[in-house]
Amino acid sequence: QSALTQPRSVSGSPGQSVTISCTGTNSDVGGYHYVSWYQQHPGRAPKLLIYDVDKRPSGVPTRFSGSKSGNTASLTISGLQADDEADYYCFSYAGFYTLLFGGGTKLTVL
Amino acid sequence: QITLKESGPSLVKPTQTLTLTCTFSGFSLSTTGLGVGWIRQPPGKALEWLAVIYWNGDNYYSPSLKSRLTITKDTSKNQVVLTMTNMDSVDTATYYCAHRPPPYLTFDSWGQGTLVTVSS
Repeated sequence: QSALTQPRSVSGSPGQSVTISCTGTNSDVGGYHYVSWYQQHPGRAPKLLIYDVDKRPSGVPTRFSGSKSGNTASLTISGLQADDEADYYCFSYAGFYTLLFGGGTKLTVL
Repeated sequence: QITLKESGPSLVKPTQTLTLTCTFSGFSLSTTGLGVGWIRQPPGKALEWLAVIYWNGDNYYSPSLKSRLTITKDTSKNQVVLTMTNMDSVDTATYYCAHRPPPYLTFDSWGQGTLVTVSS
């Protein structure tokens, strides 16, 4: 069971939009509607941004949105802000009661 | 308000068994559908899911670590315990526990994490 594949890094300028991809297989991302996204600032615990592919927990800005097509899920952050600079992880149900994280993506706000 | 806090040794020797305790408040592990999981993160590396235990006692493990892990709960104490046997330097990581809200397959509240270093 390999980690889900994410780009190691992405970048964007304040106000722009960036999209982070998360590629799995039809045994995990593609097979279920159970993809989450987490934001992690250095030295901090992860924070849930998106669950069930495209749902936002209360308090998460609408600038954060999720989607999925086939075996690839995506997190889009619009209106980039300096505080968005962090690591982002996707997370999926992988069948047989197992769970799987992506390798993480470092977002740099230029 | 949901809070979770991990506790345990900060240093263990190779081959020893690690025991970590997650003490939580703001919810009860007797609530149908609810779960508590463990996730770890080696320094500078990605998150890795380890195990989860549910309100009914069902537990599930990462296939790659299943032989070394045991997760248990003490509902009356609001605690979940993770043991990992045969510790090695590659197990050096920050270990987090987290709340799994029913009916969602995600973790919405996390503890602050505890760093465990494996070294002789």
